Amino acid sequence: EAQVTQNPRYLITVTGKKLTVTCSQNMNHEYMSWYRQDPGLGLRQIYYSMNVEVTDKGDVPEGYKVSRKEKRNFPLILESPSPNQTSLYFCASSLRGGAPGELFFGEGSRLTVL
Amino acid sequence: AQSVTQLGSHVSVSEGALVLLRCNYSSSVPPYLFWYVQYPNQGLQLLLKYTTGATLVKGINGFEAEFKKSETSFHLTKPSAHMSDAAEYFCAVTGTSYDKVIFGPGTSLSVIP
Repeated sequence: EAQVTQNPRYLITVTGKKLTVTCSQNMNHEYMSWYRQDPGLGLRQIYYSMNVEVTDKGDVPEGYKVSRKEKRNFPLILESPSPNQTSLYFCASSLRGGAPGELFFGEGSRLTVL
Repeated sequence: AQSVTQLGSHVSVSEGALVLLRCNYSSSVPPYLFWYVQYPNQGLQLLLKYTTGATLVKGINGFEAEFKKSETSFHLTKPSAHMSDAAEYFCAVTGTSYDKVIFGPGTSLSVIP
């Protein structure tokens, strides 16, 4: 089954404790992206990757890091989480060369930073 | 800069009534436009998209949208609402650069029995 898998789905952590949210897709997609969803703001792009070893900042990259060492994986790293990073996070992927913007989403990771 | 506005953060309709969710966009290049739906505790899934060609686009679950360039709109409609349509709906726009998808703030649709 074609899918984007995120882990963990739910996480409660404390300020300053480094954490990683993993994202993996099995569709051989070149493009991957992270979004955060906050009430009234819709989805905002954090980072994206056009291909392996190619990453770029989205609209709200502060406090986050990413890496793309393999085509299928695109982890999101919070080096020192803060309460304003409490949010619902989505990983998405897209087949480069297909319809631009047609994204396939994971089920989301709800993060709470105390 | 590209942006999306959705009129009405919450819309309620009766079961069997017309669904109309409004989306207006701003784009400096010919836009590609999308509607995504998010059911509770799930990720977003594509409902329909406009890239080029026919301006009336049909999607899944009986939804359709019409691209109106002169009005910079891409409103979503469904003739008859079903209880299962209750969800959050997001309009999105991307430029031909492909590297960004700009989402609107979303509209929560409630269907009243």
